[in-house]
Amino acid sequence: DTAVSQTPKYLVTQMGNDKSIKCEQNLGHDTMYWYKQDSKKFLKIMFSYNNKELIINETVPNRFSPKSPDKAHLNLHINSLELGDSAVYFCASSQAGAGQETQYFGPGTRLLVL
Amino acid sequence: GDSVTQMEGPVTLSEEAFLTINCTYTATGYPSLFWYVQYPGEGLQLLLKATKADDKGSNKGFEATYRKETTSFHLEKGSVQVSDSAVYFCARVSGNTPLVFGKGTRLSVIA
Repeated sequence: DTAVSQTPKYLVTQMGNDKSIKCEQNLGHDTMYWYKQDSKKFLKIMFSYNNKELIINETVPNRFSPKSPDKAHLNLHINSLELGDSAVYFCASSQAGAGQETQYFGPGTRLLVL
Repeated sequence: GDSVTQMEGPVTLSEEAFLTINCTYTATGYPSLFWYVQYPGEGLQLLLKATKADDKGSNKGFEATYRKETTSFHLEKGSVQVSDSAVYFCARVSGNTPLVFGKGTRLSVIA
């Protein structure tokens, strides 16, 4: 019974391509997040959605577009992939907003742009 | 802005050694504090948390105490095992701000 799942787990693609990463949570949480982890393991928030509404949008290139069809799903679409997009992308969810609640993380999607 | 500073790794210890990973945070607001652990090839898992001053979080033999006077939340374990080898992240959150992570500390425990 996976709480937060992501697909695909690995993604290898060419520069310039467009790709999507999907995330689903079965915890009944209201808020979902996308984080990027670089090669030095540094984690940074990209986006946060609460009940399908965007509430956090950090300084991320507009080639990255999150989409939340319902509160259990938050997908990440990336246009015109660049070498610097290579990283591990983590989805997470929490019960309430970005407050005191514990966030639960997915297993990550390892993106390699060639 | 809000930030978390944790000791740089990597940290290499022998099995059964005592572990301390230091973490300090910026004192704005009334943050909740967390330690997350990332095992090789996996996502982050919550290890422990504390939501107010003097709270002690504990799990799997790990402990951390929320110290408001020193703005610290150091992670400790009395006797580490090889299976504790992972990257440990200190994090803070308060109000409606997003979770802010430290840079992570890689721990390697050798038999």
